[in-house]
Amino acid sequence: SQKIEQNSEALNIQEGKTATLTCNYTNYSPAYLQWYRQDPGRGPVFLLLIRENEKEKRKERLKVTFDTTLKQSLFHITASQPADSATYLCALDNSGYALNFGKGTSLLVTP
Amino acid sequence: EAQVTQNPRYLITVTGKKLTVTCSQNMNHEYMSWYRQDPGLGLRQIYYSMNVEVTDKGDVPEGYKVSRKEKRNFPLILESPSPNQTSLYFCASSSLAGALLDEQFFGPGTRLTVL
Repeated sequence: SQKIEQNSEALNIQEGKTATLTCNYTNYSPAYLQWYRQDPGRGPVFLLLIRENEKEKRKERLKVTFDTTLKQSLFHITASQPADSATYLCALDNSGYALNFGKGTSLLVTP
Repeated sequence: EAQVTQNPRYLITVTGKKLTVTCSQNMNHEYMSWYRQDPGLGLRQIYYSMNVEVTDKGDVPEGYKVSRKEKRNFPLILESPSPNQTSLYFCASSSLAGALLDEQFFGPGTRLTVL
């Protein structure tokens, strides 16, 4: 069966460090992968999209890698700040236009 | 301001009483979608639409109906709500970049309780 796995345990890091979140998937052949941020009680907010032929993408302090051989994406936040504390979701396309989300990883950045 | 709006934001209803949650976007997006989010289960897609009069099932369509008569609106209809449809619902919209979905814009959510 298809699975998207993100660390269920919260990730606690100190301000200024790099946070690395993992998204692993099985039985998908995604053409792209997206990362979203979600704050409690609010809708997800898009962060980055990476296509299957792209190995890495950056946006300001964010970096995403996509390894279709390992079936894994890594999401990095460098120089993390308390304001980065949130739940981060990865999403994969499933046969074109259906989008499947992982359950998310909660990130807590402490001063 | 580019946005996705949903109404109502909060709703408490009783089993079997038909309800509609409205969703509207002002970005001229072709693609619209409904999700539900439940603790421990994450965000699951209910239905999506690639354009007017084109809709398709997501992962959890049972008990829901949708329609897309206009590009900007994508209402979610619960004909006979049941308690297991108590959830947080999100509408989202996106433009289509060829065969790919572009970034999705999410609405603020509708918290539904079915007693």
